[in-house]
Amino acid sequence: EDQVTQSPEALRLQEGESSSLNCSYTVSGLRGLFWYRQDPGKGPEFLFTLYSAGEEKEKERLKATLTKKESFLHITAPKPEDSATYLCAVLPISSGSARQLTFGSGTQLTVLP
Amino acid sequence: DGGITQSPKYLFRKEGQNVTLSCEQNLNHDAMYWYRQDPGQGLRLIYYSQIVNDFQKGDIAEGYSVSREKKESFPLTVTSAQKNPTAFYLCASSTLREETQYFGPGTRLLVL
Repeated sequence: EDQVTQSPEALRLQEGESSSLNCSYTVSGLRGLFWYRQDPGKGPEFLFTLYSAGEEKEKERLKATLTKKESFLHITAPKPEDSATYLCAVLPISSGSARQLTFGSGTQLTVLP
Repeated sequence: DGGITQSPKYLFRKEGQNVTLSCEQNLNHDAMYWYRQDPGQGLRLIYYSQIVNDFQKGDIAEGYSVSREKKESFPLTVTSAQKNPTAFYLCASSTLREETQYFGPGTRLLVL
C-alpha cells in the first residue's frame, strides 16, 4: 500500500530561521512527487513536481529535493507570509491513467515576526 | 482569467437531504477530480473523470455520486447515504499529458 508521512506535524519558526519539512514515502514505483501550499479555508496551491531522485526545484525562499525514499522542502529565511500548511503527495507508477494521488496529512508551518 | 471555481463556499445539509456541490473549470483540462479533506488527514479521492460521460470511483465513493455532461463541469452530489458528510470538499483538474493537479477554492459542508 502506498503511504506518505510528513513530519513534523507542526513547526514554529522565527522570521529568518531556516528549516526543512520532510515527506517520506513508500510506493512500488514513483511517477511523481508533488508539493502544495494550503492556506486556512482555501484550496491547495501547487508549488513543485519532482520526478527523479536528485532532482531539485526552487521558487523564491522554497527549495524542494527528492531522494528514493523522501523529499524535503527547505525554507530559507522564512517570512510570516510563508505560514501555511504544506502538503506532499505521490503519484505511483501503478496508478496508470487514473493518476490517483496519495497525500500526506501535511505540516503546519507558522513563522513568527 | 483561467481557473477552477467551486460553489457554494459553505453548504448546510439537513438529515436525509441530498446536496450538490458545483465545480467548473475554464482551463480546458480533460481530467477532473473530487477530494475530501478532514482535519489531520490527507486528501482522499472520491471520484475522478478523464473524459465527458465517463467517471471512476476513488477510495471513498460510497454515499457520493457525480456526473460529467460537459468538459468544464463536474458536480458532486452528497447523498443521504453518506453518514458523515461534514468535511472540506476540493475539486481539481489536470491535462491528460501532465500529472499536476490544480485545485479549486473548496466547499465546506456542514450538517444541521
